[in-house]
Amino acid sequence: QQQVKQSPQSLIVQKGGISIINCAYENTAFDYFPWYQQFPGKGPALLIAIRPDVSEKKEGRFTISFNKSAKQFSLHIMDSQPGDSATYFCAAATYNTDKLIFGTGTRLQVFP
Amino acid sequence: EADIYQTPRYLVIGTGKKITLECSQTMGHDKMYWYQQDPGMELHLIHYSYGVNSTEKGDLSSESTVSRIRTEHFPLTLESARPSHTSQYLCASASPGQGAKLFFGSGTQLSVL
Repeated sequence: QQQVKQSPQSLIVQKGGISIINCAYENTAFDYFPWYQQFPGKGPALLIAIRPDVSEKKEGRFTISFNKSAKQFSLHIMDSQPGDSATYFCAAATYNTDKLIFGTGTRLQVFP
Repeated sequence: EADIYQTPRYLVIGTGKKITLECSQTMGHDKMYWYQQDPGMELHLIHYSYGVNSTEKGDLSSESTVSRIRTEHFPLTLESARPSHTSQYLCASASPGQGAKLFFGSGTQLSVL
């Protein structure tokens, strides 16, 4: 049972382009939606997170867009760089339980 | 940067051997977790602990066991390794009040022949 669906599985973007990764969730009790970034040989690291009281959160080149009615959220990477090449995971949780449910991951490759 | 360490980084072992994967954190976090990451990248929670002498099974059934005798240490043990246990094992910790902000170690890649 996949509670958090993530797409695409892989993404190839040219340097300077916009990378977009989408996630959808089912459980309306979720109220915390983080994105994690994982480089080869490393564990995932928290990149950016959003709570459903806002529709968008921006940190540098990374933006989360959140659509509560559609139960969807997405990560936008503006001006994508080769250093952004990594696997990205969306996740969801109820804030006070901290048990994350991860999406299936998106492998992003940014070519110069 | 998070101070959470996993050893060994890589382990190749034969079927039937007992193994222990080590995880230590120096941040004083009460909450610790073990995730299994399969080749398709998906992360599954297999064990978690909210403090000393507290351990719970996660969403994915696992034949491994864990212990939490000290706050900083959360080892995972497989009594008899099998090829189906081949996977990447990731340890994580979190501080109370930070919701689901997890700090991950670099993982142990286990291969059972």
